Amino acid sequence: EVKLVESGGGLVKPGGSLRLSCAASGFTFSTYSMSWVRQAPGKGLEWVSSITSSGLYMYYADSMKGRITISRDNAKNSLYLQMHSLRAEDTAVYYCAGEICSSVTCHPFDRWGEGARVAVSS
Amino acid sequence: DIQMTQSPTTLSASIGDRVRITCRAGQSIGDSLAWYQQKPGKAPKLLIHKASSLEGGVPSRFSGSGSGTEFTLTISSLQPDDFATYYCQQYSSHSHRTFGQGTKVEI
Repeated sequence: EVKLVESGGGLVKPGGSLRLSCAASGFTFSTYSMSWVRQAPGKGLEWVSSITSSGLYMYYADSMKGRITISRDNAKNSLYLQMHSLRAEDTAVYYCAGEICSSVTCHPFDRWGEGARVAVSS
Repeated sequence: DIQMTQSPTTLSASIGDRVRITCRAGQSIGDSLAWYQQKPGKAPKLLIHKASSLEGGVPSRFSGSGSGTEFTLTISSLQPDDFATYYCQQYSSHSHRTFGQGTKVEI
């Protein structure tokens, strides 16, 4: 069974830091590009960051660039998101999601975790 | 970044209705367009990729069409399980993914 399980969410004060983790099982994690997608309360989906299957290339949304770092450990089948200088507007459910990509195109996010809640408040 | 604009934002419909949701890209994305369904408190579910290719296990009442900048998701006969929010997403740009703002289908 394909599973993505996020952890590390919680309540953090403005300006604080948090590290999210996503544990993968049931598929060949090292062949998938992985992303973080967030959803603020009552709002739509927002792509946050992606990392290629090898971990060589990372991409970030402008809304969080400079405050986050995405990484992965293929030996541990795990994805991470380190977040710094958190703001109230970063309050959201953070999903990890996977897609498989060739050099030409990708098959979009066909595997998702259940999400980790992050609340930024004093 | 490629902007994605969905319409309508909310759609009121009845069981058996034919429903259409439109998604417009800010620049041509070819057929690199996906549709997702999300129910409250749940993760999104991929319905369609490559603008018109149905994911395995997705009912055939769902269909997608379009290319370039204009795309449509059609539900041919709305069922009770289809009341949800639907998102389009472009994956043409390897460095950025963008979602539409969502369309809530309600009774």
